[in-house]
Amino acid sequence: AQSVSQHNHHVILSEAASLELGCNYSYGGTVNLFWYVQYPGQHLQLLLKYFSGDPLVKGIKGFEAEFIKSKFSFNLRKPSVQWSDTAEYFCAAYNNAGNMLTFGGGTRLMVKP
Amino acid sequence: DAGVTQSPTHLIKTRGQQVTLRCSPKSGHDTVSWYQQALGQGPQFIFQYYEEEERQRGNFPDRFSGHQFPNYSSELNVNALLLGDSALYLCASSRTANQPQHFGDGTRLSIL
Repeated sequence: AQSVSQHNHHVILSEAASLELGCNYSYGGTVNLFWYVQYPGQHLQLLLKYFSGDPLVKGIKGFEAEFIKSKFSFNLRKPSVQWSDTAEYFCAAYNNAGNMLTFGGGTRLMVKP
Repeated sequence: DAGVTQSPTHLIKTRGQQVTLRCSPKSGHDTVSWYQQALGQGPQFIFQYYEEEERQRGNFPDRFSGHQFPNYSSELNVNALLLGDSALYLCASSRTANQPQHFGDGTRLSIL
């Protein structure tokens, strides 16, 4: 069965620090990969997605993610975080064979002003 | 352009009761998926509906059932409620199964 794991449950950073959140998935076939964000009091929103092509994908609000097939990883990065990036971040993988979107457990990010 | 809407926003039930949650997909979307999100965890896939049929199902018991109507809206039904069913239930819609899903605000279900 497909699974997605996120290494960090809680991350605390100061403004302007760099961010990298880890994500690994277990499925060996074709997958579509996503990062979603949930700001306090809001619904899940798509940050970025990878389907194919350039393994470095750029999303909204300055976020980017790199797909490394050999490592089954899809890590999220941002060079300089802002207080407004405080949120919970979820990595997700869609298995085209199983028609199922699997989420990781989430990483709660707190950015101190 | 209305996004995904869910009703009700909050619901309190007792063990053994039955509940129905409702979802209207984003305009132009025909695929609806349901998720259960327990406190402190990521969403867990329950099932997906397309063309009024259940296309895929996650690891949830038969107490969880659903329906999709011709206008693409959907219902999630849970029978014989257990304390462990307390969670946030999310509905998501997409244009096709593997396209990015748009999420609603969820229904918070509490079982007493």
